[in-house]
Amino acid sequence: SAVISQKPSRDICQRGTSLTIQCQVDSQVTMMFWYRQQPGQSLTLIATANQGSEATYESGFVIDKFPISRPNLTFSTLTVSNMSPEDSSIYLCSVLAGGQDTQYFGPGTRLTVL
Amino acid sequence: AQSVTQPDIHITVSEGASLELRCNYSYGATPYLFWYVQSPGQGLQLLLKYFSGDTLVQGIKGFEAEFKRSQSSFNLRKPSVHWSDAAEYFCAVGEKSNTGKLIFGQGTTLQVKP
Repeated sequence: SAVISQKPSRDICQRGTSLTIQCQVDSQVTMMFWYRQQPGQSLTLIATANQGSEATYESGFVIDKFPISRPNLTFSTLTVSNMSPEDSSIYLCSVLAGGQDTQYFGPGTRLTVL
Repeated sequence: AQSVTQPDIHITVSEGASLELRCNYSYGATPYLFWYVQSPGQGLQLLLKYFSGDTLVQGIKGFEAEFKRSQSSFNLRKPSVHWSDAAEYFCAVGEKSNTGKLIFGQGTTLQVKP
């Protein structure tokens, strides 16, 4: 398995501002992902964070709104830009480990936008 | 398109009673199947997974799940529920192409009565 930490664990932000969420893994991993969990909802994949290249976004998510960095094999950031109350969610990062076939999740970042 | 259905949004059981959480999937072939648990304010923890072989898989915390290809189901069971099992449970389908992408069901909230 992998141990994953996220910062911040929660934040309250004003409309129109941006927040960068950090994800740190305790070992090198090939694949990292970012998910969104809206209140009372399930998880939706935002993008795959690729090391050394641009992230791969899922339908409905764009780089201008959710820029992602992946400078190395243990770290990634997700920025939520120009926030609105609709962006209030839990954002989770995950990694593919355990022989590249199992996904492990971080504790999540709970974001509230006022 | 792939999809995962958890028909029960909310389930309440008495402590010590048995539990079965339902999960049905739609996928072109036999997928990778997972059950995760999310306790309040926590990230997702992997309970168990099925890739191939024995269709009855054992997981952590006394949980097990059975893959039934004919019914496209992967139901989660526990013979005796503990109060600490109260949480949200997510069934997920993963692509065998090793993209790491997971598709989640809507989740089932488990409440345990004393």
